[in-house]
This record gives sequence, C-alpha cells and structure tokens, in this order.
Amino acid sequence: SQTIHQWPATLVQPVGSPLSLECTVEGTSNPNLYWYRQAAGRGLQLLFYSVGIGQISSEVPQNLSASRPQDRQFILSSKKLLLSDSGFYLCAWRGRLNTEAFFGQGTRLTVV
Amino acid sequence: DQQVKQNSPSLSVQEGRISILNCDYTNSMFDYFLWYKKYPAEGPTFLISISSIKDKNEDGRFTVFLNKSAKHLSLHIVPSQPGDSAVYFCAAIGPFNYQLIWGAGTKLIIKP
Repeated sequence: SQTIHQWPATLVQPVGSPLSLECTVEGTSNPNLYWYRQAAGRGLQLLFYSVGIGQISSEVPQNLSASRPQDRQFILSSKKLLLSDSGFYLCAWRGRLNTEAFFGQGTRLTVV
Repeated sequence: DQQVKQNSPSLSVQEGRISILNCDYTNSMFDYFLWYKKYPAEGPTFLISISSIKDKNEDGRFTVFLNKSAKHLSLHIVPSQPGDSAVYFCAAIGPFNYQLIWGAGTKLIIKP
C-alpha cells in the first residue's frame, strides 16, 4: 500500500534561518508531488508541484523553493525564513492514473 | 480568480440532522470533483468523489450531488455526528491532470 511521510510535524525557527521540510512516498512510482500551505483561516494554497525528478513548477512567487532529487522525495526549502512563512505545510501525491490526492500529516511551521 | 468557491466559511448543524456543504465552480472543463475532510493540525483525508458524467455518488452517510448546468456540487452528510466536525474542502481536477483546484473550505460544527 502507498504511504506518505512528512517531517517534522512541528518546527519553530527564527527569522532569517534556513528551512528544509522533507516528504517521501512509498509504494508507488513516478507520482505527481505537491507542496501546499494552509495559512490560518484560509484554504489550501498550492506552492509547488512536480511531475518528475528535477521538474519543479512554482505556482506563486515566494521566499520558498522546492526540489525533487529522487522519484519519491520532495523537499521544501528556504535560505532565509520570513515571519510570513509561518503556516501549516502539506505534502501530497497523486498517481498518474489516480484522481485522488493523498496527504501527509503536515508540518506546523512557526517563524519567530 | 477563484475557480472553485465554497462561499460558506462555516456551518453549524445539530447532531442527527443533515449537513449540506456547497461548492461552486466556474470552469466547465473540470471533469472530476473531490471532497476532503480536515482536522486541525492534520493533513486532509479523501472522503468521496464524483465524475462529471454522473449526478450523484453515495458512500455510507456521505452523498455528493453534481449539477453541471449550475456548476454546483454539494456534499450531504446524514445523519451528522460529532466526529464530522472538521473543515471540508471541495476540489476539482483541472484541464491538465496534474492540477487540483481547491476551494477555501467550510468549517462544519456539529452541535450535540
């Protein structure tokens, strides 16, 4: 069965520090991978998606970047965090023939 | 431009009654719709979906209705239970298969 792992679950980082959130998928190959952010009281905002290794598409300009070094690994990064980067970050995957997306448990990031 | 809209930020329903969550969309190219449920500090979980070739799909207490002419879908939960209290997201598969277009979510509160 397919599973998705996202870590850490919570993170408190100072302004200006770097960020690295990791997401890995098991039990499937060549998935579409997504990074979302849910700010307080708001819906899901798509940040990045990837349809293959090394292929990253950004949906909104921001202080963040994403990378896909392996087929089932998706990393969200920042060189210098801003206060506005605080939020709940979600990784998700979809199979090529699937319609449903499956989400990780999320990372609560607080920038202080 | 919001292509998927959930106009009610919150909804309060008595336990045992029917909960009806609404979703409107603007793009007639959408061909698949999904509902997700999300608890605080967790990733969304898939609930139920419907293809654009159908007008109804039922799974236990959950039924989704699709009105293509009105570009409207709704999720019915009968009977509503306390554990149904969560944020519900409507999503649509975009013209390109990698796209998942999300509504802003509706917070459902089930009152005992």
